[in-house]
Amino acid sequence: AQKITQTQPGMFVQEKEAVTLDCTYDTSDQSYGLFWYKQPSSGEMIFLIYQGSYDEQNATEGRYSLNFQKARKSANLVISASQLGDSAMYFCAMREGGGGTSYGKLTFGQGTILTVHP
Amino acid sequence: DAGVIQSPRHEVTEMGQEVTLRCKPISGHDYLFWYRQTMMRGLELLIYFNNNVPIDDSGMPEDRFSAKMPNASFSTLKIQPSEPRDSAVYFCASSPRLASPEQYFGPGTRLTVT
Repeated sequence: AQKITQTQPGMFVQEKEAVTLDCTYDTSDQSYGLFWYKQPSSGEMIFLIYQGSYDEQNATEGRYSLNFQKARKSANLVISASQLGDSAMYFCAMREGGGGTSYGKLTFGQGTILTVHP
Repeated sequence: DAGVIQSPRHEVTEMGQEVTLRCKPISGHDYLFWYRQTMMRGLELLIYFNNNVPIDDSGMPEDRFSAKMPNASFSTLKIQPSEPRDSAVYFCASSPRLASPEQYFGPGTRLTVT
């Protein structure tokens, strides 16, 4: 079974509007972390935001916020006031807890391509 | 402070040749990760090291792939012999501790095997 599911292969948004990128995850661990990375056309992976499973508040970093709904196992990324430079591929990832050698491994979703229109 | 450094940035080689990809993690980071990104399989972890010791290599596709970390500032990923299906972007990442909220990625090496 997919551990990280991003159901939107592509999304379009108008500049200055907000957009939500969906991510659902599957784990039986109580302790885990959720990440979002941005990959522009230049190819590098840029860390955006992190949410720990025990964090009660939704994580925010500037224009990025993570809408964490633990019971639904979703960790959607919200980008407010979209900019042209936000056009990129966005990856959701999870790091599971539980100890052992699997701890620390990031499992990535398939990604969502975001296109911001002027 | 310099980020994660990878070399070469691009590599084109013929099937059957040996390929060596190099990575220098951020100084002071104890964890180093090798990832591979393809259109078909997305981004997948190949292996990771803690204090130069391989911890989990379950993602290494087959015996043709090997990775070493002889010291804290250098790691290699070797493919011998290379095959066209190995064509991908290979990323190296490092983090200061396993519970770190982020991994710092290098720019990647785009490998093309003809």
